[in-house]
Amino acid sequence: EPEVTQTPSHQVTQMGQEVILRCVPISNHLYFYWYRQILGQKVEFLVSFYNNEISEKSEIFDDQFSVERPDGSNFTLKIRSTKLEDSAMYFCASQGYTNEKLFFGSGTQLSVL
Amino acid sequence: QKEVEQNSGPLSVPEGAIASLNCTYSDRGSQSFFWYRQYSGKSPELIMFIYSNGDKEDGRFTAQLNKASQYVSLLIRDSQPSDSATYLCAVLRPLYKLSFGAGTTVTVRA
Repeated sequence: EPEVTQTPSHQVTQMGQEVILRCVPISNHLYFYWYRQILGQKVEFLVSFYNNEISEKSEIFDDQFSVERPDGSNFTLKIRSTKLEDSAMYFCASQGYTNEKLFFGSGTQLSVL
Repeated sequence: QKEVEQNSGPLSVPEGAIASLNCTYSDRGSQSFFWYRQYSGKSPELIMFIYSNGDKEDGRFTAQLNKASQYVSLLIRDSQPSDSATYLCAVLRPLYKLSFGAGTTVTVRA
């Protein structure tokens, strides 16, 4: 079965540093998402992306966050200046058509020290 | 009001019993409904999805949807120890936003 690939699996960074989390969605999918899950908490929606632009974003997705699909395959999440509270598991997901199921990647565990 | 609400559990059932999980949602415009299973430290794994009112069965799992009551449920029949996990209800709202509940932790006792 096709899968969504995320790299790295773990990322440790210092507070204030920039991080880029990478995702390769399933090749013929059209809709892309980033979610995060703080340890012990629920999975939280960050942003959805369709047709090379953000479709919707949550209140968590402030000016410190950005997404890109630079080359038609990779889908990246950038956090410009990380804060301690950004420490979480970040999941990328892709979807073929609206209303269909989302396929999740295995996640990137981000630790901000 | 939370977008998606679930009983947090834990829900403990003996092996072979039926586990019943409930979920309510607030947005009447929601279109699709999903149940994901999540093991600790892992990504959510889709179990079932349902679009229309009524029941949908897949193996030991049955999803039920009642849009008038804004209610989704999941039944796990013949529960196995391997079913022990956190079950996440997720609701797809316009536009392109999948919102998750906090999850119900299920423990199946051998």
